[in-house]
Amino acid sequence: DTGVSQDPRHKITKRGQNVTFRCDPISEHNRLYWYRQTLGQGPEFLTYFQNEAQLEKSRLLSDRFSAERPKGSFSTLEIQRTEQGDSAMYLCASSLGRKGLEQFFGPGTRLTVL
Amino acid sequence: DAKTTQPNSMESNEEEPVHLPCNHSTISGTDYIHWYRQLPSQGPEYVIHGLTSNVNNRMASLAIAEDRKSSTLILHRATLRDAAVYYCILSWQGGKLIFGQGTELSVKP
Repeated sequence: DTGVSQDPRHKITKRGQNVTFRCDPISEHNRLYWYRQTLGQGPEFLTYFQNEAQLEKSRLLSDRFSAERPKGSFSTLEIQRTEQGDSAMYLCASSLGRKGLEQFFGPGTRLTVL
Repeated sequence: DAKTTQPNSMESNEEEPVHLPCNHSTISGTDYIHWYRQLPSQGPEYVIHGLTSNVNNRMASLAIAEDRKSSTLILHRATLRDAAVYYCILSWQGGKLIFGQGTELSVKP
């Protein structure tokens, strides 16, 4: 399967714990995006990378959130000191950037904070 | 970020065409019009995009008004598998997508 993959698919954690999610984009894609989606809402943009550079972060992304893409391939999204309001589906997408407008989305990681 | 307006929901019968409207009166000259759809329990899926001219692909057609302030996604023959939330999005090329509420399409057999 050459699509975007995310791991884990589901994560249940207790409030105050740290969690980390991984996204593996389509191999030749240089842009990688993170979105968050709560029930009944459309996805919200969080941040995106071009290669290893983080080019934009949403104001939604508090200091407890950090994302990395160290070698320009896979990316991780870490949430520190989770809160119940962080419960959501976290979606990753990748694209060819200027060479391709289509973003390919992964299946998402569903986070539940108890 | 430019905003779009879509109906909250629409219904269609199987095998019939569906026209999903989108208004984007504040669109700028560099904004592309994108359509994505999201099936239940899945990530969004690209459908089509365009800038000024009408576009066709294997999934759908995109009709763009001459003034670019509105567009219509056309599914030529709806199937039960087309039941999803359809999002109309304006985006600079290769940039982030700002999703709205979308239109929830239901397809009746």
